[in-house]
Amino acid sequence: AQSVTQPDIHITVSEGASLELRCNYSYGATPYLFWYVQSPGQGLQLLLKYFSGDTLVQGIKGFEAEFKRSQSSFNLRKPSVHWSDAAEYFCAVGGNTGTASKLTFGTGTRLQVTL
Amino acid sequence: NAGVTQTPKFQVLKTGQSMTLQCAQDMNHNSMYWYRQDPGMGLRLIYYSASEGTTDKGEVPNGYNVSRLNKREFSLRLESAAPSQTSVYFCASRPLGGAGKNIQYFGAGTRLSVL
Repeated sequence: AQSVTQPDIHITVSEGASLELRCNYSYGATPYLFWYVQSPGQGLQLLLKYFSGDTLVQGIKGFEAEFKRSQSSFNLRKPSVHWSDAAEYFCAVGGNTGTASKLTFGTGTRLQVTL
Repeated sequence: NAGVTQTPKFQVLKTGQSMTLQCAQDMNHNSMYWYRQDPGMGLRLIYYSASEGTTDKGEVPNGYNVSRLNKREFSLRLESAAPSQTSVYFCASRPLGGAGKNIQYFGAGTRLSVL
């Protein structure tokens, strides 16, 4: 069975500081990995994805993530956080198994940014 | 460019009442999904439809039914609402191919309270 662990429920960083959000996954084959962001009262927006190839992927809003197969991790990073980055972040894992490609989400990490 | 549209945005029900949550996508996507989001639990898959004419149970299907009315529309029905179904419901869709293959696109959500 596939699963995702986001060990940090809540993180607070100062504006301008660097950020790393952790994600560990369990998946029986080559995974497809995703980071989504959810602003308060909004739906989920895709930040970035990993399907194959270069293990360092770039996304929108200056975010990047690195796929480390040996550690079953896909951590999200940003060099300098802006106040508008305050939101909840979800890591998800899935695969191209059949036509459904179901996703399994982590429980989310809520990011607070202090000025 | 509407994307995935969910109606209604908010709903309050009394225990035992029924209602249908509507979801429509205008991106010609093949697969559609219904999730519920509860605090500290991330998103959990209720039902999905890999293609028009097919539906399958996800992780938490009890108390729900779905209909894939056509390629565009995928509705979620609560026959007899219970307080445990108080949640935020998200619909998502995914294309079969192209640049967005294997990416799920989300609606803005329906916030449901069952009293």
